Amino acid sequence: DAKTTQPTSMDCAEGRAANLPCNHSTISGNEYVYWYRQIHSQGPQYIIHGLKNNETNEMASLIITEDRKSSTLILPHATLRDTAVYYCIVRVPFTGNQFYFGTGTSLTVIP
Amino acid sequence: GAVVSQHPSWVICKSGTSVKIECRSLDFQATTMFWYRQFPKQSLMLMATSNEGSKATYEQGVEKDKFLINHASLTLSTLTVTSAHPEDSSFYICSAPYRETQYFGPGTRLLVL
Repeated sequence: DAKTTQPTSMDCAEGRAANLPCNHSTISGNEYVYWYRQIHSQGPQYIIHGLKNNETNEMASLIITEDRKSSTLILPHATLRDTAVYYCIVRVPFTGNQFYFGTGTSLTVIP
Repeated sequence: GAVVSQHPSWVICKSGTSVKIECRSLDFQATTMFWYRQFPKQSLMLMATSNEGSKATYEQGVEKDKFLINHASLTLSTLTVTSAHPEDSSFYICSAPYRETQYFGPGTRLLVL
């Protein structure tokens, strides 16, 4: 699996957009980018995933660069409940499907 | 959406006893499930892959005789921590793949006294 690099921590003002970056410079052509988050003492929650096109759902938007070496998760209007550790993972789907977690980004939304 | 449940959500046991944790896929079938362990302020560490109808595969360094895994059906996997010791106290999380992604249970907090 491709290794990912994320900042250790970030702050964001409530109501503003939170932009969480992820570098995955060794990503291979058939690997998808997945984002999960983990709120304290809970299991990871799926947010969004994509291959090369930008994706949007009710939770967030995922922007993947054209060379696919990095991506950004965007929470358009951060709330206090978005405070969590966010994990970026690259993985080929349907193949064993273990997800190996890095250290993630601890996002704190500030009132 | 795909839902994964775990039971119990938390458990306290005495040192030397065994503890069983259940992981269920509620609205889909899963021939494979995964077990993770998470210590405070650390990331999730994959422990083992549970396979329906065959033996589990363990990550390097995980004792298979201590962490017994049984994938009894297409919707149930169990993790038994045998002869638990205080150092086994942790947050145990299971997951199951559904379509292109993977869904996680809410986790089980184990405290061994």
